[in-house]
Amino acid sequence: ETGVTQTPRHLVMGMTNKKSLKCEQHLGHNAMYWYKQSAKKPLELMFVYNFKEQTENNSVPSRFSPECPNSSHLFLHLHTLQPEDSALYLCASSLSSITGNTIYFGEGSWLTVV
Amino acid sequence: RKEVEQDPGPFNVPEGATVAFNCTYSNSASQSFFWYRQDCRKEPKLLMSVYSSGNEDGRFTAQLNRASQYISLLIRDSKLSDSATYLCVVNGGGNTGTASKLTFGTGTRLQVTL
Repeated sequence: ETGVTQTPRHLVMGMTNKKSLKCEQHLGHNAMYWYKQSAKKPLELMFVYNFKEQTENNSVPSRFSPECPNSSHLFLHLHTLQPEDSALYLCASSLSSITGNTIYFGEGSWLTVV
Repeated sequence: RKEVEQDPGPFNVPEGATVAFNCTYSNSASQSFFWYRQDCRKEPKLLMSVYSSGNEDGRFTAQLNRASQYISLLIRDSKLSDSATYLCVVNGGGNTGTASKLTFGTGTRLQVTL
């Protein structure tokens, strides 16, 4: 059983839809992350939050909008996505984003944009 | 040169075999290193951290060579259940107060057969 839970696990959306991915961690961590995993590519870091503050945005298009209301919850708001955005979106958490702590992943949200 | 480079495989080995994976990294300032395991359509899970002195966990041995900037993972007495993709993960580190950055390799796929 993972300490990081993501919903929904699967999502199919049209290019004009607005949807959100939700992540919750029960590990008492202070840092949370969004990663994208596409076929045949390494995991790509999208956003980093440390103590609710965004500390990293890896040139992610504005159609992806993160929100971190507290250290336990992280959202990824999706709007006017493209088919190439179809991927596995992984939320993760660690004790801190500053030191080399172990990172724990949620089970991921499989996104298909049609 | 990729930041973290792995042979994608697949490595097809019979049960009981010993198999080794290597991973090279480009950032000489990297501070911490990990092997993650990812089963098909699942999230990555930490297999083991890699320490300078080398470390062993049951059938798994990880080693780090800082001078040559590579990490290795050795699996002895392979089991069917070891079939998965093994991700090399490098923490590029950073100055105090900045977010550390984990860089993932594309992974090496292992298939253990009867």
